Amino acid sequence: GENVEQHPSTLSVQEGDSAVIKCTYSDSASNYFPWYKQELGKGPQLIIDIRSNVGEKKDQRIAVTLNKTAKHFSLHITETQPEDSAVYFCAASRGYSSASKIIFGSGTRLSIRP
Amino acid sequence: IAGITQAPTSQILAAGRRMTLRCTQDMRHNAMYWYRQDLGLGLRLIHYSNTAGTTGKGEVPDGYSVSRANTDDFPLTLASAVPSQTSVYFCASSDPGEDGYTFGSGTRLTVV
Repeated sequence: GENVEQHPSTLSVQEGDSAVIKCTYSDSASNYFPWYKQELGKGPQLIIDIRSNVGEKKDQRIAVTLNKTAKHFSLHITETQPEDSAVYFCAASRGYSSASKIIFGSGTRLSIRP
Repeated sequence: IAGITQAPTSQILAAGRRMTLRCTQDMRHNAMYWYRQDLGLGLRLIHYSNTAGTTGKGEVPDGYSVSRANTDDFPLTLASAVPSQTSVYFCASSDPGEDGYTFGSGTRLTVV
């Protein structure tokens, strides 16, 4: 089955700097890669995703890149702000429709220093 | 507000007791999922249901059971709780054509 590894487990950056979180996956059939943000006491919330036919996707200050050959993908947050402090999860699945079970990484706790 | 409702929000349970965690969604999503979240282990899939009337096992199904009598409800039952089931449990749902999962706010369960 799919295995998703995520690094680092904790990350602290100065406000205004960039943060990068990296993930690798094992199942070459995976073609959908979402990223979730979890704030304290809440459930995870989808922030961005990428499908295997695209190498990069941006949404304002966040971007995700995908290297299918190497089976790794990354989340980039630029101009970090205090509200970016949260736990971030990468994930992978074989499809973006329902019934395609998503396998999650172990999470990265991002702290933004003022 | 459309979404997923989980109950209770937290519970302390004696080992050996039976417990049902409730999950209800009002988005008419076909698929629903139960995950447990433990420190350093991320989210692990317990059980899932592709549509009403069907269920399947995830990564860590032992000690848990689910049912899907209708589209909206997907309860998770611990038949005889053990301390290793202490965790935060999240219910989620998804549907074709929509991106990713919608998660509930979670149930924090402590088995003592």
